[in-house]
Amino acid sequence: QKEVEQDPGPLSVPEGAIVSLNCTYSNSAFQYFMWYRQYSRKGPELLMYTYSSGNKEDGRFTAQVDKSSKYISLFIRDSQPSDSATYLCAMGAGGTSYGKLTFGQGTILTVHP
Amino acid sequence: DADVTQTPRNRITKTGKRIMLECSQTKGHDRMYWYRQDPGLGLRLIYYSFDVKDINKGEISDGYSVSRQAQAKFSLSLESAIPNQTALYFCATSGRGGGHQETQYFGPGTRLLVL
Repeated sequence: QKEVEQDPGPLSVPEGAIVSLNCTYSNSAFQYFMWYRQYSRKGPELLMYTYSSGNKEDGRFTAQVDKSSKYISLFIRDSQPSDSATYLCAMGAGGTSYGKLTFGQGTILTVHP
Repeated sequence: DADVTQTPRNRITKTGKRIMLECSQTKGHDRMYWYRQDPGLGLRLIYYSFDVKDINKGEISDGYSVSRQAQAKFSLSLESAIPNQTALYFCATSGRGGGHQETQYFGPGTRLLVL
Protein backbone atom coordinates (compact mmCIF):
# COMPACT_ATOMS: atom_id res chain seq x y z
CA GLN A 1 0.00 0.00 0.00
CA LYS A 2 1.31 3.42 -0.94
CA GLU A 3 1.76 6.02 1.78
CA VAL A 4 -0.33 8.48 -0.23
CA GLU A 5 -3.20 7.45 -2.49
CA GLN A 6 -4.71 9.78 -5.08
CA ASP A 7 -7.27 8.94 -7.72
CA PRO A 8 -5.51 9.61 -11.03
CA GLY A 9 -8.77 10.38 -12.84
CA PRO A 10 -8.90 11.67 -15.47
CA LEU A 11 -11.62 14.06 -14.37
CA SER A 12 -13.55 16.09 -16.93
CA VAL A 13 -16.00 18.81 -15.85
CA PRO A 14 -17.87 21.70 -17.52
CA GLU A 15 -16.80 25.27 -16.92
CA GLY A 16 -18.31 26.64 -13.73
CA ALA A 17 -18.50 23.29 -11.94
CA ILE A 18 -17.23 22.66 -8.43
CA VAL A 19 -14.31 20.26 -8.48
CA SER A 20 -13.31 18.04 -5.58
CA LEU A 21 -9.89 16.38 -5.52
CA ASN A 22 -8.86 14.03 -2.72
CA CYS A 23 -5.96 12.14 -1.20
CA THR A 24 -5.74 9.63 1.59
CA TYR A 25 -2.60 8.76 3.51
CA SER A 26 -1.39 6.22 6.03
CA ASN A 27 1.51 7.97 7.82
CA SER A 28 0.21 9.67 10.96
CA ALA A 29 3.46 11.69 11.23
CA PHE A 30 2.47 13.91 8.30
CA GLN A 31 1.82 17.45 9.49
CA TYR A 32 2.27 19.56 6.37
CA PHE A 33 -0.07 19.23 3.42
CA MET A 34 0.25 20.80 0.04
CA TRP A 35 -1.40 20.86 -3.33
CA TYR A 36 0.64 21.41 -6.44
CA ARG A 37 -0.64 22.25 -9.90
CA GLN A 38 1.26 21.08 -12.95
CA TYR A 39 0.49 22.32 -16.43
CA SER A 40 1.48 20.22 -19.41
CA ARG A 41 5.26 20.27 -20.03
CA LYS A 42 5.89 22.39 -16.91
CA GLY A 43 7.18 21.76 -13.41
CA PRO A 44 4.75 21.48 -10.48
CA GLU A 45 3.99 24.77 -8.74
CA LEU A 46 2.68 25.21 -5.22
CA LEU A 47 -1.03 25.99 -5.09
CA MET A 48 -2.03 25.56 -1.44
CA TYR A 49 -0.19 24.94 1.83
CA THR A 50 -1.83 23.80 5.08
CA TYR A 51 -0.34 22.93 8.43
CA SER A 52 -2.17 20.29 10.52
CA SER A 53 -5.97 20.01 10.36
CA GLY A 54 -8.43 22.60 9.18
CA ASN A 55 -9.43 24.60 6.14
CA LYS A 56 -7.64 27.19 4.09
CA GLU A 57 -9.18 29.33 1.40
CA ASP A 58 -7.50 31.27 -1.39
CA GLY A 59 -9.79 32.75 -3.98
CA ARG A 60 -11.63 29.92 -5.75
CA PHE A 61 -9.52 27.26 -4.02
CA THR A 62 -10.18 25.65 -0.63
CA ALA A 63 -7.94 23.07 0.98
CA GLN A 64 -9.24 20.84 3.77
CA VAL A 65 -7.27 18.53 6.04
CA ASP A 66 -8.85 15.93 8.30
CA LYS A 67 -6.00 14.29 10.20
CA SER A 68 -8.32 12.02 12.18
CA SER A 69 -9.45 10.41 8.92
CA LYS A 70 -6.08 10.85 7.18
CA TYR A 71 -7.83 12.59 4.30
CA ILE A 72 -7.20 15.82 2.46
CA SER A 73 -9.23 17.61 -0.19
CA LEU A 74 -8.92 20.46 -2.64
CA PHE A 75 -12.07 22.20 -3.85
CA ILE A 76 -12.14 24.44 -6.89
CA ARG A 77 -15.18 26.68 -7.24
CA ASP A 78 -16.36 28.15 -10.54
CA SER A 79 -13.82 26.07 -12.42
CA GLN A 80 -12.26 27.61 -15.53
CA PRO A 81 -10.59 26.08 -18.59
CA SER A 82 -7.34 27.55 -17.28
CA ASP A 83 -7.65 25.18 -14.29
CA SER A 84 -7.04 22.24 -16.63
CA ALA A 85 -3.88 20.64 -15.27
CA THR A 86 -2.61 17.77 -13.17
CA TYR A 87 -3.09 18.30 -9.43
CA LEU A 88 -0.69 16.59 -7.03
CA CYS A 89 -1.13 16.30 -3.30
CA ALA A 90 2.05 16.27 -1.20
CA MET A 91 2.73 15.70 2.49
CA GLY A 92 5.63 16.09 4.88
CA ALA A 93 6.40 15.10 8.45
CA GLY A 94 8.70 18.02 9.24
CA GLY A 95 11.28 17.88 11.99
CA THR A 96 14.73 16.81 10.82
CA SER A 97 13.20 15.70 7.52
CA TYR A 98 11.70 19.08 6.72
CA GLY A 99 11.25 19.62 3.01
CA LYS A 100 11.13 15.90 2.18
CA LEU A 101 7.70 15.26 0.72
CA THR A 102 5.65 12.27 -0.33
CA PHE A 103 3.52 12.89 -3.41
CA GLY A 104 0.29 11.38 -4.67
CA GLN A 105 0.06 10.11 -8.25
CA GLY A 106 -1.67 13.26 -9.45
CA THR A 107 -5.19 13.77 -10.80
CA ILE A 108 -5.60 14.96 -14.38
CA LEU A 109 -8.34 17.60 -14.58
CA THR A 110 -9.91 18.98 -17.74
CA VAL A 111 -12.39 21.85 -17.59
CA HIS A 112 -14.20 22.22 -20.88
CA PRO A 113 -15.94 25.42 -22.01
CA ASP B 1 14.82 34.78 -14.15
CA ALA B 2 13.74 31.33 -12.95
CA ASP B 3 14.77 30.40 -9.40
CA VAL B 4 15.42 26.74 -10.30
CA THR B 5 16.93 25.99 -13.70
CA GLN B 6 17.62 22.69 -15.39
CA THR B 7 19.80 21.88 -18.37
CA PRO B 8 19.28 20.47 -20.86
CA ARG B 9 15.51 20.82 -21.30
CA ASN B 10 15.38 17.97 -23.78
CA ARG B 11 17.84 15.17 -24.44
CA ILE B 12 17.91 12.16 -26.73
CA THR B 13 20.58 9.58 -26.09
CA LYS B 14 21.40 5.98 -26.90
CA THR B 15 21.45 2.92 -24.69
CA GLY B 16 24.73 2.62 -22.82
CA LYS B 17 25.69 6.29 -22.97
CA ARG B 18 26.54 8.27 -19.86
CA ILE B 19 24.64 11.51 -19.48
CA MET B 20 24.39 14.26 -16.90
CA LEU B 21 21.46 16.47 -16.04
CA GLU B 22 22.24 19.68 -14.22
CA CYS B 23 20.28 21.79 -11.77
CA SER B 24 21.03 25.24 -10.39
CA GLN B 25 19.07 27.36 -7.94
CA THR B 26 19.16 30.96 -6.79
CA LYS B 27 16.71 30.54 -3.89
CA GLY B 28 19.43 30.11 -1.27
CA HIS B 29 17.94 26.77 -0.22
CA ASP B 30 20.05 24.10 1.43
CA ARG B 31 18.04 21.08 0.30
CA MET B 32 17.83 19.74 -3.25
CA TYR B 33 16.03 16.80 -4.82
CA TRP B 34 15.88 14.80 -8.05
CA TYR B 35 12.64 13.16 -9.18
CA ARG B 36 11.47 11.31 -12.21
CA GLN B 37 7.90 11.46 -13.43
CA ASP B 38 6.24 8.74 -15.45
CA PRO B 39 2.63 8.61 -16.60
CA GLY B 40 0.44 7.01 -13.94
CA LEU B 41 3.29 6.78 -11.41
CA GLY B 42 3.54 10.35 -10.21
CA LEU B 43 6.79 11.80 -8.88
CA ARG B 44 9.33 9.33 -7.58
CA LEU B 45 12.33 10.46 -5.57
CA ILE B 46 15.72 9.41 -6.97
CA TYR B 47 18.19 11.20 -4.67
CA TYR B 48 18.11 14.08 -2.22
CA SER B 49 20.72 16.22 -0.50
CA PHE B 50 20.21 18.15 2.73
CA ASP B 51 23.50 20.00 2.36
CA VAL B 52 26.70 19.81 0.31
CA LYS B 53 28.12 16.90 2.33
CA ASP B 54 24.86 15.00 2.77
CA ILE B 55 23.57 12.79 -0.08
CA ASN B 56 20.77 10.28 0.36
CA LYS B 57 19.16 7.67 -1.84
CA GLY B 58 15.49 7.94 -2.65
CA GLU B 59 13.11 5.16 -3.59
CA ILE B 60 14.52 4.53 -7.10
CA SER B 61 18.27 5.30 -7.02
CA ASP B 62 19.52 2.24 -8.94
CA GLY B 63 21.19 3.25 -12.20
CA TYR B 64 21.62 6.86 -11.08
CA SER B 65 24.26 8.86 -9.24
CA VAL B 66 24.41 12.47 -8.07
CA SER B 67 26.91 15.16 -7.24
CA ARG B 68 26.35 18.23 -5.08
CA GLN B 69 29.04 20.55 -6.37
CA ALA B 70 27.93 23.54 -4.32
CA GLN B 71 24.93 24.62 -2.32
CA ALA B 72 23.32 25.90 -5.50
CA LYS B 73 24.19 23.02 -7.84
CA PHE B 74 23.01 19.41 -7.89
CA SER B 75 23.69 17.10 -10.85
CA LEU B 76 22.13 13.77 -11.76
CA SER B 77 24.04 11.21 -13.83
CA LEU B 78 22.88 8.13 -15.65
CA GLU B 79 26.01 5.98 -15.80
CA SER B 80 24.79 3.74 -18.61
CA ALA B 81 21.42 4.85 -19.90
CA ILE B 82 18.73 2.28 -20.64
CA PRO B 83 15.35 2.74 -22.40
CA ASN B 84 13.27 2.41 -19.21
CA GLN B 85 15.00 5.55 -17.92
CA THR B 86 13.04 7.49 -20.52
CA ALA B 87 11.05 9.94 -18.40
CA LEU B 88 10.59 13.53 -17.31
CA TYR B 89 13.16 14.53 -14.68
CA PHE B 90 12.64 17.30 -12.17
CA CYS B 91 14.95 19.03 -9.77
CA ALA B 92 13.46 20.67 -6.68
CA THR B 93 14.69 22.69 -3.72
CA SER B 94 13.49 23.47 -0.23
CA GLY B 95 14.87 25.31 2.76
CA ARG B 96 14.91 28.37 4.92
CA GLY B 97 15.52 30.83 2.12
CA GLY B 98 11.98 32.19 2.21
CA GLY B 99 8.45 30.81 2.17
CA HIS B 100 7.53 27.66 4.04
CA GLN B 101 10.59 25.50 4.62
CA GLU B 102 8.45 22.44 3.94
CA THR B 103 7.63 23.57 0.44
CA GLN B 104 9.54 22.28 -2.56
CA TYR B 105 10.11 24.48 -5.59
CA PHE B 106 10.52 22.75 -8.91
CA GLY B 107 12.52 23.40 -12.02
CA PRO B 108 10.99 23.22 -15.51
CA GLY B 109 12.05 19.61 -16.07
CA THR B 110 14.26 17.70 -18.49
CA ARG B 111 12.59 15.41 -21.00
CA LEU B 112 14.90 12.43 -21.59
CA LEU B 113 14.52 9.84 -24.32
CA VAL B 114 16.80 6.80 -24.31
CA LEU B 115 16.80 4.89 -27.60
